[in-house]
Amino acid sequence: KAGVTQTPRYLIKTRGQQVTLSCSPISGHRSVSWYQQTPGQGLQFLFEYFSETQRNKGNFPGRFSGRQFSNSRSEMNVSTLELGDSALYLCASSLDRPSSLATTGELFFGEGSRLTVL
Amino acid sequence: AQSVTQLDSHVSVSEGTPVLLRCNYSSSYSPSLFWYVQHPNKGLQLLLKYTSAATLVKGINGFEAEFKKSETSFHLTKPSAHMSDAAEYFCVVKGGYQKVTFGTGTKLQVIP
Repeated sequence: KAGVTQTPRYLIKTRGQQVTLSCSPISGHRSVSWYQQTPGQGLQFLFEYFSETQRNKGNFPGRFSGRQFSNSRSEMNVSTLELGDSALYLCASSLDRPSSLATTGELFFGEGSRLTVL
Repeated sequence: AQSVTQLDSHVSVSEGTPVLLRCNYSSSYSPSLFWYVQHPNKGLQLLLKYTSAATLVKGINGFEAEFKKSETSFHLTKPSAHMSDAAEYFCVVKGGYQKVTFGTGTKLQVIP
């Protein structure tokens, strides 16, 4: 069974540009969440999607956006890039429905997209 | 409110000696708890999880963790460290409505 696939793995952009990152979840998983990881702030939750709808959102500016397609693949976009957006962006998929109180689900992570903003 | 505290940012052990990585949590719900490991420039890999079954949980690569409700702790242990265990470890709590909170991570150094 294929794992979570993130593309591209590495990319370099300049300030003011925009970037789109892609995440393909494990087959059958309908929940996808995104995280930003930096040395200073650690792992921070960006947003979560289930059945093409954003279910939860972290505390990030509106420059960060995402979407989920009918095949559960997800993209996130960062517009008007800033130096501080340099980070490892991780995607995770899960079987769980966000509104369920069941707490048995685990997150399966991709290897991440390393974004460098110059 | 939900939170998780990893008590040590760095832990250094000699190869072959025991490993202890400490994690305390708070949650308004009966949480699920996880330990993940991250090797450099890689994603997070699940080591083990607690989901209200047995309080002593065994994971991959010889790791285990014990859920202690009275102490609100979920410490990760391994009897004998291996060089390949050098990585960063994250304690994660998952409470009601699927809210997920990550600890700040513990970097494990294994000295040959």
